[in-house]
Amino acid sequence: GENVEQHPSTLSVQEGDSAVIKCTYSDSASNYFPWYKQELGKRPQLIIDIRSNVGEKKDQRIAVTLNKTAKHFSLHITETQPEDSAVYFCAADDLGNLIFGKGTKLSVKP
Amino acid sequence: NAGVTQTPKFRILKIGQSMTLQCAQDMNHNYMYWYRQDPGMGLKLIYYSVGAGITDKGEVPNGYNVSRSTTEDFPLRLELAAPSQTSVYFCASGRLGSNTGELFFGEGSRLTVL
Repeated sequence: GENVEQHPSTLSVQEGDSAVIKCTYSDSASNYFPWYKQELGKRPQLIIDIRSNVGEKKDQRIAVTLNKTAKHFSLHITETQPEDSAVYFCAADDLGNLIFGKGTKLSVKP
Repeated sequence: NAGVTQTPKFRILKIGQSMTLQCAQDMNHNYMYWYRQDPGMGLKLIYYSVGAGITDKGEVPNGYNVSRSTTEDFPLRLELAAPSQTSVYFCASGRLGSNTGELFFGEGSRLTVL
């Protein structure tokens, strides 16, 4: 089955800097790669997703890139703000369901 | 719309007790899921349903049971609770399958087994 590895597990940046979170997956048949953000004590919420026929997708300050050959995808957050502090989860689809990475705790210091 | 509603939010169980976590959604979604979240371990799929009357196992189904008698409700049953089931449980629903579209999560149910 699918296996998703996510790095780093924790990331601390200064406000205004960029943050990059990377994920690798094992099943070349996976076609859908969402990212979820979970603020402390809250529910996960979808922030961006990408499908295998697209290499990059942007939404304001966040972007996701996908390299199907290398089987990895990344989340990029530019001009980070304190409200970006949260745990971010990547995921990949596996036979109709999602396999999640273990999460990255992002801290943005003002 | 209330979205996905879970009850209870918190519960403490003794080893061997049983309980049901309730989940309801009012978005007319066919797909519903139960995940558990352990510290530093991401979200693990317990059970899922693609429609009323249809359920299937996820990654970590042992010790749990589900039913889906209506589109709206997807309760999760814990039989003979064990300390290893201490976790935060999230119910989620989606209009499409989780491999094609957004999942909407409930607020979570924090369960402690002592």
